[in-house]
Amino acid sequence: GEDVEQSLFLSVREGDSSVINCTYTDSSSTYLYWYKQEPGAGLQLLTYIFSNMDMKQDQRLTVLLNKKDKHLSLRIADTQTGDSAIYFCAESFVGAGSYQLTFGKGTKLSVIP
Amino acid sequence: NAGVTQTPKFQVLKTGQSMTLQCAQDMNHNSMYWYRQDPGMGLRLIYYSASEGTTDKGEVPNGYNVSRLNKREFSLRLESAAPSQTSVYFCASSGSSGNTIYFGEGSWLTVV
Repeated sequence: GEDVEQSLFLSVREGDSSVINCTYTDSSSTYLYWYKQEPGAGLQLLTYIFSNMDMKQDQRLTVLLNKKDKHLSLRIADTQTGDSAIYFCAESFVGAGSYQLTFGKGTKLSVIP
Repeated sequence: NAGVTQTPKFQVLKTGQSMTLQCAQDMNHNSMYWYRQDPGMGLRLIYYSASEGTTDKGEVPNGYNVSRLNKREFSLRLESAAPSQTSVYFCASSGSSGNTIYFGEGSWLTVV
């Protein structure tokens, strides 16, 4: 079945770049997503990339997709303390007429002032 | 600009009690979902509804029922709550293109 793997923890200094990595298994995924979850809050859609793209940039966020290796990464430039959160990678596939997501377990990003 | 709204935000139940989590979206989305989030487990799909009038099981449906009341609303019911159902529950919705799936703020449920 589908599986999404990501490292559980990442610690960076304020101002540095953060890179969160993710691997997935379903080569037929249509979209791949990054969600952010702050403590006690819901999931905020950060960005997504269509499976036929290699890269997507959105302000401080850069998403890289290596479809051959089934590897997805999220780079956050100039990381701030407000970026401290759990980041979830997810892949989507179409099942019974709707898009379904499979999530990784989340990477907890800690930003050191 | 509400997006996906779920109620209640917090609930404590005794084992064996029943309750319904409500979810509504105002984005005219066809598909709606219920997920649960447990520590170290990520999010797992309980049930989903591809369109009004249809529902399907996800990865962890046991102990739950759902109702797609209309296009806006999708409810999740626990008929006889068990401590294993202590979790954070998220409702989500998506449009036909599938590139944007939005989540509610979550419902924290504790079963004692």
